[in-house]
Amino acid sequence: KAGVTQTPRYLIKTRGQQVTLSCSPISGHRSVSWYQQTPGQGLQFLFEYFSETQRNKGNFPGRFSGRQFSNSRSEMNVSTLELGDSALYLCASSLSGGDQETQYFGPGTRLLVL
Amino acid sequence: GQNIDQPTEMTATEGAIVQINCTYQTSGFNGLFWYQQHAGEAPTFLSYNVLDGLEEKGRFSSFLSRSKGYSYLLLKELQMKDSASYLCAVRDRLYAGNNRKLIWGLGTSLAVNP
Repeated sequence: KAGVTQTPRYLIKTRGQQVTLSCSPISGHRSVSWYQQTPGQGLQFLFEYFSETQRNKGNFPGRFSGRQFSNSRSEMNVSTLELGDSALYLCASSLSGGDQETQYFGPGTRLLVL
Repeated sequence: GQNIDQPTEMTATEGAIVQINCTYQTSGFNGLFWYQQHAGEAPTFLSYNVLDGLEEKGRFSSFLSRSKGYSYLLLKELQMKDSASYLCAVRDRLYAGNNRKLIWGLGTSLAVNP
């Protein structure tokens, strides 16, 4: 079974631009969570999607948004990029997002904002 | 509030045993995960504890004491490939159901020397 895939793997943008990142979960997984990882803050939860609905949201500004499609693929969008948005963006999938379920992570998208 | 503490860095010798500690404070504990993350790669699942005690899985074991808000990951017969960051993550019951998330530690960077 193929793992979680994310595209693109690397991205360079300038301040003020917007970016869209894509995540394809493991086949059969319906829960997709997004995280931002930086050296100083570690893994920070952005949001979780299940059945095309945002089920949970972290403490990020409204510039960060996401959506999920009927095939469980998910996208996240960051508008008006800031230098501080430079980070590794990880998505993780699980069957239904249950408390005891393991999350499987994709390789991440490394975003650099100049 | 919610807080997770792990040592920032640890060093050990190939063939030895190392214990990585994690202490946490949550409003309502509902499970603890350990993940391994090699540099530039996605986190991968190692273990899950929800009840007190030791869970053994090959060279890796994880221990939990809910009353003390404490867990450790024990790595035996260390190999060079075990050099990685080890992340502790806690599920908070306060966030169960429709408002759920994992709270992540900053990770412990383990260097295994020959």
